[in-house]
Order: sequence, then structure tokens, then C-alpha cells
Amino acid sequence: IAGITQAPTSQILAAGRRMTLRCTQDMRHNAMYWYRQDLGLGLRLIHYSNTAGTTGKGEVPDGYSVSRANTDDFPLTLASAVPSQTSVYFCASSDRGTGPQFFGPGTRLTVL
Amino acid sequence: GQNIDQPTEMTATEGAIVQINCTYQTSGFNGLFWYQQHAGEAPTFLSYNVLDGLEEKGRFSSFLSRSKGYSYLLLKELQMKDSASYLCASLDSNYQLIWGAGTKLIIKP
Repeated sequence: IAGITQAPTSQILAAGRRMTLRCTQDMRHNAMYWYRQDLGLGLRLIHYSNTAGTTGKGEVPDGYSVSRANTDDFPLTLASAVPSQTSVYFCASSDRGTGPQFFGPGTRLTVL
Repeated sequence: GQNIDQPTEMTATEGAIVQINCTYQTSGFNGLFWYQQHAGEAPTFLSYNVLDGLEEKGRFSSFLSRSKGYSYLLLKELQMKDSASYLCASLDSNYQLIWGAGTKLIIKP
């Protein structure tokens, strides 16, 4: 693989179910990010990780959790999905906090 | 509060020049990014400005005025493939990107 991959590509989920969105990068970037993108709104940061073993909350963290056990993987978990979490989710990484972020292809999630 | 403003939509003609403006108000400033996003795809990095002035990269140029909290993206010799949304984002004092909602650029033949 080259760059960032995300899985699944799309998912329809019943409300109340638990879901983990996967993100893997092979660029050995230190920082990783999870965003959601909704129509008419800018990308909003959910959680981030500046380096393996550390995570932080972004603008809209409620209902989501992340872990960063190693450099390459940064999964996002919805503990109990709600319809307002219907969105397109993008994972991104950057070599350093001041550098450009590079995005995965996204996961389109629908919660019914 | 933190805010990024850019026009919702712009229309231009193939072969022409278009300027997409962005104004920002963020807590601290560590640079201004422009990204391109085609419909249904991920954003891709176009440019980064941290100092005042113009950065040119092929058909695309980006300008920054820190004193005015203002940037623009200039696209020359427009091609149909330039039809996309263009996202402006400011890197704040916590090194978090604050994103605008994007400008949808429509190119007409």
C-alpha cells in the first residue's frame, strides 16, 4: 500500500450499534487525524494523535474514541451510533504538526 | 471565535483566470493551506503560505496577507478538470487546522 487507506468505503449502520472505522498509513508520519465532513460545513476535527501512544480531542469528539497503539494505525470507534453521526469520515496524516496533511479516501457512514 | 470565510460557489470559463478569496480569524496563526477536493473524493494538498506574499506553483498561485487575515488562490488557464471545491484552512496556535466550508468552482466551456 502507498499513502493512507481507510475501511470500509461505506457502511449503513443501525442506531445503537458499535462501529470501528479503520485507518492505516505507510508513510511513517507522526501525526494522524480524524475528520468528519458534512454538507455546507468545513471539515471538523474529531480526534488527533501527534505521535504513537498519545491522542487528543478535537472540535467534535463526543460519541467517538480513538487509539494509537503504533505509528501506522489510528482506528476511530463509535460506541453507540446515532443518526447525527451520519457523515463522510476522513483520516489524515502529516509528517509534523506544521506540515500539510494527506487524506485517505474516506468512509461514508449512514446511521439509521 | 475561530472563523474561515470563503465564497460558497464561483463560476468561470475554460481558459480564463479565477481568484478564490479566503479571510480567516483564528487564535494564533501558523500558516494557511489550500486544498482541492473533487466531488466524492478526498481533499488533496495544493499550497501552503506562512509568510506574506505570493507563492507560484504552475497554473496555481496562492497569496497571503497576515496583517489583513486574507489569502487568495489564483487559478490560471482554467481547464474543465479544475471543476472542484477549494478548501482554505488556517493552522492555529495549537497547530490544529481550522477549515472553511469550501468554494465550489464551476468551469464552463
